Amino acid sequence: DTGVSQDPRHKITKRGQNVTFRCDPISEHNRLYWYRQTLGQGPEFLTYFQNEAQLEKSRLLSNRFSAERPKGSFSTLEIQRTEQGDSAMYLCASSYVQGANTEAFFGQGTRLTVV
Amino acid sequence: AQSVAQPEDQVNVAEGNPLTVKCTYSVSGNPYLFWYVQYPNRGLQFLLKYITGDNLVKGSYGFEAEFNKSQTSFHLKKPSALVSDSALYFCAVRDTNSGNTPLVFGKGTRLSVIA
Repeated sequence: DTGVSQDPRHKITKRGQNVTFRCDPISEHNRLYWYRQTLGQGPEFLTYFQNEAQLEKSRLLSNRFSAERPKGSFSTLEIQRTEQGDSAMYLCASSYVQGANTEAFFGQGTRLTVV
Repeated sequence: AQSVAQPEDQVNVAEGNPLTVKCTYSVSGNPYLFWYVQYPNRGLQFLLKYITGDNLVKGSYGFEAEFNKSQTSFHLKKPSALVSDSALYFCAVRDTNSGNTPLVFGKGTRLSVIA
């Protein structure tokens, strides 16, 4: 296992289309996070899972966004009816949580461009 | 609420000189603090973390960071900068009072090391 894997690396889509991203975390990591990063900003939290349970969703996650982690392994993030403001880097991270001091390991991200 | 401030958008330093990238935080309880680095078109890579104990934390690639509770700071340092250290650096915090919640990131500081 070489780390967190995200697919695709780049996605260009027309406004109004739906897109889906996939994240494969490090094996045996029970926590999986989705962040969004725009130019000149740090990663902004979107949502996270503990195993298959979605524990928290940010107010940034509009109702056009949905995330799943059906078997507690890989996760998907879907954006419906994309808007130009959705253009960003979408980062996935995972961690094995034993306490509050664990760091997260990030994938290389999916860069979304909405035209 | 927890937050992180990175007061400098850009830091320039000559190769071989010491470097400092600043970070201050705000939490209601005690902090867990993290530094990540991001190279172009790459995900975030974990550098080091402060949990408890010694205020000086050593991490990857010769980096270290000093936790200062009275100044609520966690500045990243390196005694001798390399051109290959040029990248985007992010400080992140988790409040121990909030349980194992997702990390909150600063906006990032771009470090340029000039040969």
